[in-house]
Amino acid sequence: DIQMTQSPSSLSASVGDRVTITCRASQGIRNDLGWYQQKPGKAPKRLIYAASSLQSGVPSRFSGSGSGTEFTLTISSLQPEDFATYYCLQHNSYPFTFGPGTKVDIK
Amino acid sequence: QVQLVDSGGGVVQPGRSLRLSCAASGFTFNTYAMHWVRQAPGKGLEWVATISYDGNNNHYADSVKGRFTISRENSKNTLFLQMNSLRAEDTAVYYCARGPGYYDSSYLDHWGQGTLVTVSS
Repeated sequence: DIQMTQSPSSLSASVGDRVTITCRASQGIRNDLGWYQQKPGKAPKRLIYAASSLQSGVPSRFSGSGSGTEFTLTISSLQPEDFATYYCLQHNSYPFTFGPGTKVDIK
Repeated sequence: QVQLVDSGGGVVQPGRSLRLSCAASGFTFNTYAMHWVRQAPGKGLEWVATISYDGNNNHYADSVKGRFTISRENSKNTLFLQMNSLRAEDTAVYYCARGPGYYDSSYLDHWGQGTLVTVSS
């Protein structure tokens, strides 16, 4: 099975900060990776697909990069509505696996 | 617009069964693979199962293999998850999710709102 790790597990940031979250796969997954945002009590929302493609309707301050085993999600200027938990998902092979999540809260 | 509505959750005793449903609308259901993903209280996301667009290919997480069955009724645009021999550790919010499609390679792009399953005596 492919294991996904994320770092950091949590971070505190201020509005306007640049935030970077890293996801690593235990083996190469090409670009078969998505990033999701989840707010308390809500379903996950996809932000990025195919590692670097922005989901329609998602603000351009979100971006993704990487291929193979290392991936990043960047928020260029954190906004109040971005405080949430972020997950990566690999869909290269079964079982699909999520990273453990990164909680972004207000400093 | 794409809509997925999860239902069927509730409180059930250990060892009993429950069937979840996901009603789909706003897209051609019978051309998309579908998934169930769960989230235990205060925990992260866990992929549970996938079914192909035609129902002929399924995949399961080891944690549910042999106990859960994913199925679909394309004529009714509905996805199911039959959960047998339920355990306390199956307590979670269960979400259905869409994709990829026969003509669309997008994975888990839309999600239902989730339905809570609580396994407790």
